[in-house]
Amino acid sequence: AQSVAQPEDQVNVAEGNPLTVKCTYSVSGNPYLFWYVQYPNRGLQFLLKYITGDNLVKGSYGFEAEFNKSQTSFHLKKPSALVSDSALYFCAVRDRTDKLIFGTGTRLQVFP
Amino acid sequence: KAGVTQTPRYLIKTRGQQVTLSCSPISGHRSVSWYQQTPGQGLQFLFEYFSETQRNKGNFPGRFSGRQFSNSRSEMNVSTLELGDSALYLCASVADNGEKLFFGSGTQLSVL
Repeated sequence: AQSVAQPEDQVNVAEGNPLTVKCTYSVSGNPYLFWYVQYPNRGLQFLLKYITGDNLVKGSYGFEAEFNKSQTSFHLKKPSALVSDSALYFCAVRDRTDKLIFGTGTRLQVFP
Repeated sequence: KAGVTQTPRYLIKTRGQQVTLSCSPISGHRSVSWYQQTPGQGLQFLFEYFSETQRNKGNFPGRFSGRQFSNSRSEMNVSTLELGDSALYLCASVADNGEKLFFGSGTQLSVL
């Protein structure tokens, strides 16, 4: 079955430092992968997606993600973190029936 | 364009009662999906409707049901509420052939 795993419940980073939020996936066939962000008391917002093409995908708010087929990973990255990036981040994969399967989420805390 | 609208924002019910949640998608979007979000479980897919037909279903008991109207508005019903049904229920819509889900702010259901 298609699934994603987010191994870290929380990631802490100082403002201005690079950040990485990890995601690994398990799919049969070519993966359709996504990152969404959830700010407090809000629904999820789309950040970026990987369907095919370049392994480095650029998205909203300066975020990017690197698709690595050999490691079955799709880590979210940002060169310089902002306090306003503090939120809950979800990785997701589209399964064979076109459902979007989400990970359990990683809380990112950026400290001033 | 207005975003995805969910009502009510908060609900408090007692065990055994039933509840109906409403979702109005972005104008022109015919696909509506519902998710249950709980701490530690992430987002669990409930079901998806497209043009008044259920197109996909998650692994939830029959107490959880939904429907979609001709104007694409969708409702979700939970009967015989249990304490474990306390969660944030999120609705999302997507354009035809689109990949990006647009989420509402959710309905926070508390079952006492």
